[in-house]
Amino acid sequence: QSALTQPPSASGSPGQSVTISCTGTSGDVGDYNYVSWYQQHPGKAPKLMIYEVSKRPSGVPDRFSGSKSGNAASLTVSGLQAEDEADYYCSSYAGSNNLVFGGGTKLTVL
Amino acid sequence: EVQLVESGGELVQPGGSLRLSCAASGFTFSSYSMNWVRQAPGKGLEWVSYISSGSGSIDYADSVKGRFTISRDNAKNSLYLQMNSLRDEDTAVYYCARPYCSGGSCYSRSAFNIWGQGTMVTVSS
Repeated sequence: QSALTQPPSASGSPGQSVTISCTGTSGDVGDYNYVSWYQQHPGKAPKLMIYEVSKRPSGVPDRFSGSKSGNAASLTVSGLQAEDEADYYCSSYAGSNNLVFGGGTKLTVL
Repeated sequence: EVQLVESGGELVQPGGSLRLSCAASGFTFSSYSMNWVRQAPGKGLEWVSYISSGSGSIDYADSVKGRFTISRDNAKNSLYLQMNSLRDEDTAVYYCARPYCSGGSCYSRSAFNIWGQGTMVTVSS
C-alpha cells in the first residue's frame, strides 16, 4: 500500500484559513468515502478531527471541515488559532481491509 | 474515563522478538474491534494490524505480515501484538487505537478516536 501524498508544510496567520491536501488514487481516496483527518501535537497521540470525508466527531470545532473531489481530499481550518499549530495526517480505507495514511503536514500559525 | 495504556516497548536486537500489550478501561472492550498503528521517529503514521471484537477477523499491513501477530483477551480487557523477526525499520512508537462509533455505526477500519500514549520499540544492535 502506498502512502497518501500530503504537502510537508502549510502556514497561515491567526484568523486566516488554510487548506491541506491529501492525494490518493482510485484504489483508496477515489473509491471510498472513508477519509479521516488527525491532528497530532508534539509528543502526543493523534486526535481524530474528521471522519467519513467531512463529518466532525463531537467536540471538534466547526472551524475544521473536510471535503473530497476525485482522488483528492482536503482539510480546511478556518479562523486559525495558535493551538491549531500541529501535524495533520489524512487516512483512507484502501480496500482489502487495508488502511493507508498520508505522510503528514506540519501546520504553522505565523 | 475511557483509556488505553500500552506497555512492553524496549530496545531489542534485529531478529529479536517483543510482545506489546494494551490495557483498556472505561468501556466495554469486548464490544470493539481494535487496531495497532505505529509511527517511526520523525515520520508519519502507519497502520499495522486490525482485530475484530471476537478475534474472528484479523488483518495486517504487508510490511509486518508473517512476522507480527495480533491477539486479544476480552476477559482481561487487553490487546496484544507479538512481534517476531524484528528489523531496524520496525523502530517506532506503537499505538493501540479504538474505532470511533456514532449513531449506531463504528468506523472500525477507518477512524480511530481513542488512542493510547504509545510505547517505543527500538530495534538496533
